[in-house]
Amino acid sequence: QVQLQESGPGLVKPSGTLSLTCAVSGGSISSNNWWNWVRQPPGKGLEWIGEIYHSGSTNYNPSLKSRVTMSVDKSKNQFSLKLNSVTAADTAVYYCARWIMVGTTYYFDYWGQGTLVTVSS
Amino acid sequence: DIQMTQSPSSLSASVGDRVTITCRASQSISNYLNWYQQKPGKAPKLLIYAASSLQSGVPSRFSGSGSGTDFTLTISSLQPEDFATYYCQRSYSTPFTFGPGTKVDIK
Repeated sequence: QVQLQESGPGLVKPSGTLSLTCAVSGGSISSNNWWNWVRQPPGKGLEWIGEIYHSGSTNYNPSLKSRVTMSVDKSKNQFSLKLNSVTAADTAVYYCARWIMVGTTYYFDYWGQGTLVTVSS
Repeated sequence: DIQMTQSPSSLSASVGDRVTITCRASQSISNYLNWYQQKPGKAPKLLIYAASSLQSGVPSRFSGSGSGTDFTLTISSLQPEDFATYYCQRSYSTPFTFGPGTKVDIK
């Protein structure tokens, strides 16, 4: 059973950098899956942020691309998100999730519990 | 980018009701469409993938249909544990856009 666990500061100052890590257990980050970040502002819907493969290849949401960096640490079986120049609009619950590809089907099968990040001075 | 819309944005229903939620893509996405259920304070849970395939462990009262631009999620007989928000999501290529969600609450 794969488990994902987000960690990082719950409070970030405006114009600062949001940094989160997702630890993967019960499976290898080097498996044939993409590792994703999704966020959800309070009371609103889900927004896909981006994904990373164990090779380091990434795909980002065009709306956030200029501010997002993702990385992977295979030795620790974890991946990370950095979002810079944050504003109050970046306040959200941040989820990490595994994207699985089975034949021609693709979906998020495992999710972390989510972590609330508030942007405030 | 392909935009996803859902209707209705919310609905009230009673236990035992048949519920239908619609998702529309701004251009054809074949059957690359997933449905998720989210309860307050919880991560989304996959219900349906590839438009109509039921995820393992999901009750058979949930079903999905559609292809191209128009998709439907149906709950054949609403149960108390089904009161939640439902999201569609395009798959196959990034960005993996979600629909805005449909909140199902108790009538």
